[in-house]
Amino acid sequence: QSALTQPASVSGSPGQSITISCTGTSSDVGDYNYVSWYQQHPGKAPKVMIYDVSNRPSGVSNRFSGSKSGNTASLTISGLQAEDEADYYCSSYTSSSTRVFGGGTKLTVL
Amino acid sequence: EVQLVESGGGLVQPGGSMRLSCAASGFTFSSSAMSWVRQAPGKGLEWVSGVSGSGASTYYADSVKGRFTISRDNSKNTLYLQMNSLRVADTAVYYCAEGFWSLVHWGQGTLVTVSS
Repeated sequence: QSALTQPASVSGSPGQSITISCTGTSSDVGDYNYVSWYQQHPGKAPKVMIYDVSNRPSGVSNRFSGSKSGNTASLTISGLQAEDEADYYCSSYTSSSTRVFGGGTKLTVL
Repeated sequence: EVQLVESGGGLVQPGGSMRLSCAASGFTFSSSAMSWVRQAPGKGLEWVSGVSGSGASTYYADSVKGRFTISRDNSKNTLYLQMNSLRVADTAVYYCAEGFWSLVHWGQGTLVTVSS
């Protein structure tokens, strides 16, 4: 199972919005609404930010939103804050009854 | 409060075996699917294995199929990962996580180092 494709890095200034893409295939992202997004700060465990494409767990800021079109899912962070600087990973269920992660995107808040 | 605490990591030689445990609390363990995810030093996340709430259904990444076995003891609220025929490439922090469709809660991880 090949990893989902994410940009290696994105950046933005405080207050701006950024979008991270996650491209898969018709055997994962394109065929299932089980895409989730995880935030990981250095030395810490990952934290779920979005599940089932666009749902936010309780306690996660509404500045985080998710969407999907075809084989590509997206995570948008609006009103960037310094604390958002972290690595972000997407993940999808697959037709092989497994899960696959993207390679990760490093978000830098300028 | 949900807590997941991994244990059992350490140094093992190539070809060796190791069993990881994950003690769960704060939720109905037997009703939750569980997963193992690993992260090699400086690398991204890799899903390793998943198991249904009853333990009847198990799932594996191709990279570990036939070498790793996931199991659970719902009477002890504990998840396990038996790792055999370990390779240098299996060196990573291993996280247990609640869920399968989405990984809702994560432990802090345990480091497994495979080296001679």
